[in-house]
Amino acid sequence: NAGVTQTPKFQVLKTGQSMTLQCAQDMNHEYMSWYRQDPGMGLRLIHYSVGAGITDQGEVPNGYNVSRSTTEDFPLRLLSAAPSQTSVYFCASSYVGANTGELFFGEGSRLTVL
Amino acid sequence: QQQVKQSPQSLIVQKGGISIINCAYENTAFDYFPWYQQFPGKGPALLIAIRPDVSEKKEGRFTISFNKSAKQFSLHIMDSQPGDSATYFCAASKGSGYSTLTFGKGTMLLVSP
Repeated sequence: NAGVTQTPKFQVLKTGQSMTLQCAQDMNHEYMSWYRQDPGMGLRLIHYSVGAGITDQGEVPNGYNVSRSTTEDFPLRLLSAAPSQTSVYFCASSYVGANTGELFFGEGSRLTVL
Repeated sequence: QQQVKQSPQSLIVQKGGISIINCAYENTAFDYFPWYQQFPGKGPALLIAIRPDVSEKKEGRFTISFNKSAKQFSLHIMDSQPGDSATYFCAASKGSGYSTLTFGKGTMLLVSP
């Protein structure tokens, strides 16, 4: 019953450092996405993918890169971290097809950029 | 432009009372309206959802009321319990074949014992 697994759960970076947040799902979902959650701002879509080799930008893509080489994995890369990227990041996945609106979320990765 | 507006930002309700959270949307192309529940330290999870062809959907103590003409929908939690204390997000999506959801900003609900 793994569902959506995110690593690491916590990370502290210095400004300018790079890192990758990992996301893996075992439900054979075609659709995967990354959201960031900030106080008072709700959940904002960063990037999403509807299948291996296909990615697209969401509402707040600047400063983040993604790739989708397999159905299971959807890593989020920060190339040069900035304090504005301090946030809680959630990976979510779902089936493509009939629009059910049901996203399955991971437990989040809390990132602090100093 | 905020496409889904949610209110209130926070809510305190006594045990046994009714919790009401409201959302309004702007995009008439939205055709799916889910509510997500998030406990501290966890990811959001789908609670209940509605499509615009019905005006109300009930699942246990949770009810969604939908007003298509006003472009508004609301979540009612009857007989609220301390275990309902969580952050609630409304959301909306278009019929695009996958779930690119637009979320409201969330409501932090505290049910006092």
